[in-house]
Amino acid sequence: DSGVTQTPKHLITATGQRVTLRCSPRSGDLSVYWYQQSLDQGLQFLIHYYNGEERAKGNILERFSAQQFPDLHSELNLSSLELGDSALYFCASSVGGFDGYTFGSGTRLTVV
Amino acid sequence: TQLLEQSPQFLSIQEGENLTVYCNSSSVFSSLQWYRQEPGEGPVLLVTVVTGGEVKKLKRLTFQFGDARKDSSLHITAAQPGDTGLYLCAGARGSARQLTFGSGTQLTVLP
Repeated sequence: DSGVTQTPKHLITATGQRVTLRCSPRSGDLSVYWYQQSLDQGLQFLIHYYNGEERAKGNILERFSAQQFPDLHSELNLSSLELGDSALYFCASSVGGFDGYTFGSGTRLTVV
Repeated sequence: TQLLEQSPQFLSIQEGENLTVYCNSSSVFSSLQWYRQEPGEGPVLLVTVVTGGEVKKLKRLTFQFGDARKDSSLHITAAQPGDTGLYLCAGARGSARQLTFGSGTQLTVLP
């Protein structure tokens, strides 16, 4: 157990639907990062939150959004889902410096 | 185009052999990290290097950060089946905290 909790572990949904992925960071970590991992693109950075504020955006589609709540958990919302959104979505947390990430086990999203 | 290029992409070796994985870029990184990922799990941090020329050892694993902070290598001595996994390098640029990941090296160590 890494200390970063992601739910659900698996999600199967239809095209056009909306889903919410949840992440609870490791105790004491203020930063939460979301990444998408697919076979052809590898791990791609989506978005970074620090203590409730958005700090950086990567290759995140407009159909995707995220937020970090006062208790520091974060949610990634994916809407108008397409087949190509099928991937592993990882959340990672860190204290804030160059100390490395702690990753969760991921959510495997399958869009059918 | 990947900002961080890893080679080789796939590596299959026998137990006891040595191997080196490379991570190269044309960009300078303020820090570079190596992770190992196993099926169904998230990547796990192995090491962080921040100084050009830095060498770190973790048991049978030796990590090196290039003098110009543009490249890194991971050397495994006497590989074991338990070393099997996807090895990922990841770099941070400037003051940014988000990491850019390489495409990964899938290592298989056969008993």
